[in-house]
Amino acid sequence: GQNIDQPTEMTATEGAIVQINCTYQTSGFNGLFWYQQHAGEAPTFLSYNVLDGLEEKGRFSSFLSRSKGYSYLLLKELQMKDSASYLCAVRDRLLRGSTLGRLYFGRGTQLTVWP
Amino acid sequence: KAGVTQTPRYLIKTRGQQVTLSCSPISGHRSVSWYQQTPGQGLQFLFEYFSETQRNKGNFPGRFSGRQFSNSRSEMNVSTLELGDSALYLCASSLVPLDRGEYEQYFGPGTRLTVT
Repeated sequence: GQNIDQPTEMTATEGAIVQINCTYQTSGFNGLFWYQQHAGEAPTFLSYNVLDGLEEKGRFSSFLSRSKGYSYLLLKELQMKDSASYLCAVRDRLLRGSTLGRLYFGRGTQLTVWP
Repeated sequence: KAGVTQTPRYLIKTRGQQVTLSCSPISGHRSVSWYQQTPGQGLQFLFEYFSETQRNKGNFPGRFSGRQFSNSRSEMNVSTLELGDSALYLCASSLVPLDRGEYEQYFGPGTRLTVT
């Protein structure tokens, strides 16, 4: 199976920068995703990393290090509407040479942004 | 364009019964994935259908099954319901299958299933 760890809760203030970490252990790796989920709503896609390095999308950036089994989501210029749960998900690879796999989610990090 | 729709939104069933949930993907999307979300286990992948074939499957018992129709609409069935099946069931659709590239999936609002 897979093991995906992320902090349960984080708090920050408006305008600040916050980094949400995710570590994973997989039997095969074929990509890492970040999702945002507001209370009572469905998750929405934020970012995708499959190669090492930083992917930037506006105020949100995601970093991946495959050798360390580590990723982070960086949120800049925090706004109140960023208060949500952030889910890290890893796509594994069932068989060497095959792309077939499954998606495993962490428990999510509940971010609260204070004024 | 319309998003992913799921019906029904809420459902109450008793132990031992079976239930069928429906998901209509975004027009043009051929991949539909199903997930179970509970406070204790978080979001867990059930299975994925692409072009009417189950392409990927998570670690759930055989009581959980699904199918996809030629118009890409999908149904999920749970037989012999248990109390632990109470959860939010989410479906998501995508243009490409789960295992391909930048798999960007769009979630529906979910079906809240309560088993008593």
